[in-house]
Amino acid sequence: DTAVSQTPKYLVTQMGNDKSIKCEQNLGHDTMYWYKQDSKKFLKIMFSYNNKELIINETVPNRFSPKSPDKAHLNLHINSLELGDSAVYFCASSQERLAGSWDTQYFGPGTRLTVL
Amino acid sequence: AQSVSQHNHHVILSEAASLELGCNYSYGGTVNLFWYVQYPGQHLQLLLKYFSGDPLVKGIKGFEAEFIKSKFSFNLRKPSVQWSDTAEYFCAVNAASGGYQKVTFGTGTKLQVIP
Repeated sequence: DTAVSQTPKYLVTQMGNDKSIKCEQNLGHDTMYWYKQDSKKFLKIMFSYNNKELIINETVPNRFSPKSPDKAHLNLHINSLELGDSAVYFCASSQERLAGSWDTQYFGPGTRLTVL
Repeated sequence: AQSVSQHNHHVILSEAASLELGCNYSYGGTVNLFWYVQYPGQHLQLLLKYFSGDPLVKGIKGFEAEFIKSKFSFNLRKPSVQWSDTAEYFCAVNAASGGYQKVTFGTGTKLQVIP
């Protein structure tokens, strides 16, 4: 069984379009994340979200918005796509530890977004 | 602000050579430390982690890392690499920042093992 799944795996679209990437985890974790990995493999956290709060990386444009219908899902919606949004987007989840810190993150397979 | 530095961007080794990848972080409080590996075309997966206790941590596939608090370092080691270790390796730090939990990844080290 896939622990963290994402759809679609590949997404090719035109500038200015709006698109969504879906993420689901079946691990029972209470925290989910979105990461952006650029062409140089640099990995940057975009959002973390649990049933208590959404933590936004302040460098993320407000065209990006996470939407969580329930604890097992965290979708990423992107408005007005730009060329610079081309990257691989990874969803991840983890369990919060007793001390409030984050345990191991389990990553999804990634969604390669290409904006033309 | 917390940051993570991986000084080795690209490492090329022959099979059976020993490996050490550097990771330094800047944060003065309590940290949780991780090494993740990303095989070509795949997602990140955990190699090992440190929360507390013995600073020498053993992970999967013969990897280990040592937490040296005084040096703010968490270097990854393997005594004898294999061709299948060819991958991108990421160090990550989780700590509280501004009242929130935050995780920061290093820029990654690409390891290429030559048969």
